[in-house]
Amino acid sequence: QKEVEQNSGPLSVPEGAIASLNCTYSDRGSQSFFWYRQYSGKSPELIMSIYSNGDKEDGRFTAQLNKASQYVSLLIRDSQPSDSATYLCAVNTAFKAGTALIFGKGTTLSVSS
Amino acid sequence: KAGVTQTPRYLIKTRGQQVTLSCSPISGHRSVSWYQQTPGQGLQFLFEYFSETQRNKGNFPGRFSGRQFSNSRSEMNVSTLELGDSALYLCASSSMGKLFFGSGTQLSVL
Repeated sequence: QKEVEQNSGPLSVPEGAIASLNCTYSDRGSQSFFWYRQYSGKSPELIMSIYSNGDKEDGRFTAQLNKASQYVSLLIRDSQPSDSATYLCAVNTAFKAGTALIFGKGTTLSVSS
Repeated sequence: KAGVTQTPRYLIKTRGQQVTLSCSPISGHRSVSWYQQTPGQGLQFLFEYFSETQRNKGNFPGRFSGRQFSNSRSEMNVSTLELGDSALYLCASSSMGKLFFGSGTQLSVL
């Protein structure tokens, strides 16, 4: 059973702090890794993708990947109240082709002003 | 570019009925995937269609089916509805392995 694990939270950080979200996955064959943000009552929105070991930065967001440890993380710098949402980690499966992502159950982030 | 469009937005059905949900992908996207989201199980992959062919399938019973048309629009059907089928059904079109979700159809089975 291929799995993606995340702490459900809530993770509470003050405005301006760094929020660190973590994810582990079980399928060593996975090659693509994604972070989605989902506001309450809305659909998931892609915020980061990462494919190779190391860090990838996009604005206030940094995704980190360590395939040897099967670990993906998302750092949010200078957290804002508008970042309060559920963050979903998603990993592709080693299917023959196509896009079939396995999602973690998400970490709820709360940023207080 | 218009996003992924799902209809209807809300549905209320009773046990034993069947339901059909519709999805129009982003223009130019040929892959359409369907996911079920529930508070307990999170987002779970149902199936993916590409060029009118089912390319991948998740671990759902045969009551869940889908199809894709030549214009890439997709429908999913759930027959003999059960209470546990109450969920948010999300359609996503993909490009370069990235999923872009529609607003979803909230299905309530009474």
